[in-house]
Amino acid sequence: EPEVTQTPSHQVTQMGQEVILRCVPISNHLYFYWYRQILGQKVEFLVSFYNNEISEKSEIFDDQFSVERPDGSNFTLKIRSTKLEDSAMYFCASQQGANQPQHFGDGTRLSIL
Amino acid sequence: GNSVTQMEGPVTLSEEAFLTINCTYTATGYPSLFWYVQYPGEGLQLLLKATKADDKGSNKGFEATYRKETTSFHLEKGSVQVSDSAVYFCALSILTGGGNKLTFGTGTQLKVEL
Repeated sequence: EPEVTQTPSHQVTQMGQEVILRCVPISNHLYFYWYRQILGQKVEFLVSFYNNEISEKSEIFDDQFSVERPDGSNFTLKIRSTKLEDSAMYFCASQQGANQPQHFGDGTRLSIL
Repeated sequence: GNSVTQMEGPVTLSEEAFLTINCTYTATGYPSLFWYVQYPGEGLQLLLKATKADDKGSNKGFEATYRKETTSFHLEKGSVQVSDSAVYFCALSILTGGGNKLTFGTGTQLKVEL
């Protein structure tokens, strides 16, 4: 069964550095999402992406965050200048159609030192 | 806004016990409802879903019924196994033009013991 894959599985970065989290969605999917889960807390929506543009974003997704789908297969989340509070598990999800289930990757654990 | 409330965990059960994890929601519009499961060290997997009132989602012995009158979507299983130990998330989504973001509850950890 096709899967959403995320790399790396664990990223350790110094505060203030830029980080790029990578996701390869399922190939025929059209909608893409990033979520995050701070340790011990609920999974929170960050951003959705459809038709090569952001369709919705949360308050968390400020100017430090950006997303790209540079080559039709990868879907990346960039954090420009990381803060300690960005430490979390980041999940990518993709969806074939608007009424279809979202499929999640295994996540990238981001640790900011 | 939209929100999901689910019972606090952890829930600890003996194998073959009956499981209920309560979930209620508030939403503007007509949400679809989901249960996701997260096994240790893994991502979120869709367990079951229901897209309209009175629908029953089921999978792997788990069931949940979309109750519009009580705004609930409680997860049940008649006989749990040790392998069911995981964190269970209730979630809702509402269709918009650009997709349908998921709004999650806080998650309920289930521990099943022999």
